[in-house]
Amino acid sequence: GEDVEQSLFLSVREGDSSVINCTYTDSSSTYLYWYKQEPGAGLQLLTYIFSNMDMKQDQRLTVLLNKKDKHLSLRIADTQTGDSAIYFCAESGSSNTGKLIFGQGTTLQVKP
Amino acid sequence: EAGVAQSPRYKIIEKRQSVAFWCNPISGHATLYWYQQILGQGPKLLIQFQNNGVVDDSQLPKDRFSAERLKGVDSTLKIQPAKLEDSAVYLCASSSSGGLNGYTFGSGTRLTVV
Repeated sequence: GEDVEQSLFLSVREGDSSVINCTYTDSSSTYLYWYKQEPGAGLQLLTYIFSNMDMKQDQRLTVLLNKKDKHLSLRIADTQTGDSAIYFCAESGSSNTGKLIFGQGTTLQVKP
Repeated sequence: EAGVAQSPRYKIIEKRQSVAFWCNPISGHATLYWYQQILGQGPKLLIQFQNNGVVDDSQLPKDRFSAERLKGVDSTLKIQPAKLEDSAVYLCASSSSGGLNGYTFGSGTRLTVV
């Protein structure tokens, strides 16, 4: 089946690195995604990784994919108070129609 | 480019009433999605359109929910009659590439059923 699990809450100090973890079940997922949701807003695509990649870096964001363990992580370097939000991991699942299966979200709290 | 537009932003109705939500996707985006996000959960796909045809509506409670995308542009999602458990944020999203490169979400409509 298709299921995505995330830890619910992470608190870090401004300037530290944040690492948000996710596990997924569908090994046939072609793409894995990270979305950010700020209060009262829709979801914003942060980055995505193709399943044949191990790592993707985009400025302060680093995505690591361990396909064997079906584990995905998002590292935010030099975390800022503006990074406080809910972060959702999502997988494309087996259908490859564009449907996304989301985790329940990780709330990132950044303390000054 | 303009984003995905949704209206209304908020809606409060009594149970058993009906309600409709509207979405205007990004111009030229062929694929449109409606997701339901219950408080504290991740979004769940309700229905996906490719142009004006339905690609996936397997998770849509068809006894009370309906959606259409006339002319392959705007879309409406309707609930009739509403139940308390329908309280959620309804998110519309669109993509040009079938969605595998990610897509753009609107700000959503927050529905409260009392």
